[in-house]
Amino acid sequence: DTGVSQDPRHKITKRGQNVTFRCDPISEHNRLYWYRQTLGQGPEFLTYFQNEAQLEKSRLLSDRFSAERPKGSFSTLEIQRTEQGDSAMYLCASSTTGGAGGNTIYFGEGSWLTVV
Amino acid sequence: GQNIDQPTEMTATEGAIVQINCTYQTSGFNGLFWYQQHAGEAPTFLSYNVLDGLEEKGRFSSFLSRSKGYSYLLLKELQMKDSASYLCAGDSAGNMLTFGGGTRLMVKP
Repeated sequence: DTGVSQDPRHKITKRGQNVTFRCDPISEHNRLYWYRQTLGQGPEFLTYFQNEAQLEKSRLLSDRFSAERPKGSFSTLEIQRTEQGDSAMYLCASSTTGGAGGNTIYFGEGSWLTVV
Repeated sequence: GQNIDQPTEMTATEGAIVQINCTYQTSGFNGLFWYQQHAGEAPTFLSYNVLDGLEEKGRFSSFLSRSKGYSYLLLKELQMKDSASYLCAGDSAGNMLTFGGGTRLMVKP
């Protein structure tokens, strides 16, 4: 399967612990996005990369959140000192730039985080 | 920034036609996406409109009016499996999507 893959799919953690999620985009896609989604809401943009450069960060992305894409391929999203309000599904997505259908953004299955 | 509005819930009957509306107020608007999302799953791409007009893809069609800041998704010959949330998203520079809250469609027999 060559879609966007995310790991882990589910994570339960205690408040105050750190968690890290990984995303592997579609192989030829140079843009990678992180979104957060809570129940009954649409996804909210967090940050995006073009290759290894992080080009935009939402104000939602507090200092406890950090994302990296060191080699322009996979990405990690780390949440430090988790809070109960961080409980959500974290979605990764990828796209190419330009070309027919190049703007289409494909989402992974998401990583569910529950902070207890 | 962008502001995307769509109805929270809709109900329709199997075999019928349903139209889900979306209005947007944007800066730097490039185009408009529609995604389908089943409960607990990732959003899946349905359509992307850049130009005004109607684009048809099988049972699903999407319409855009840039001057009115308005789009709709039209679903024909509804099937039970079409019960899902439908997400409208505005696309701005860098393909950063701003999503509406989603419209939960319930298809009844």
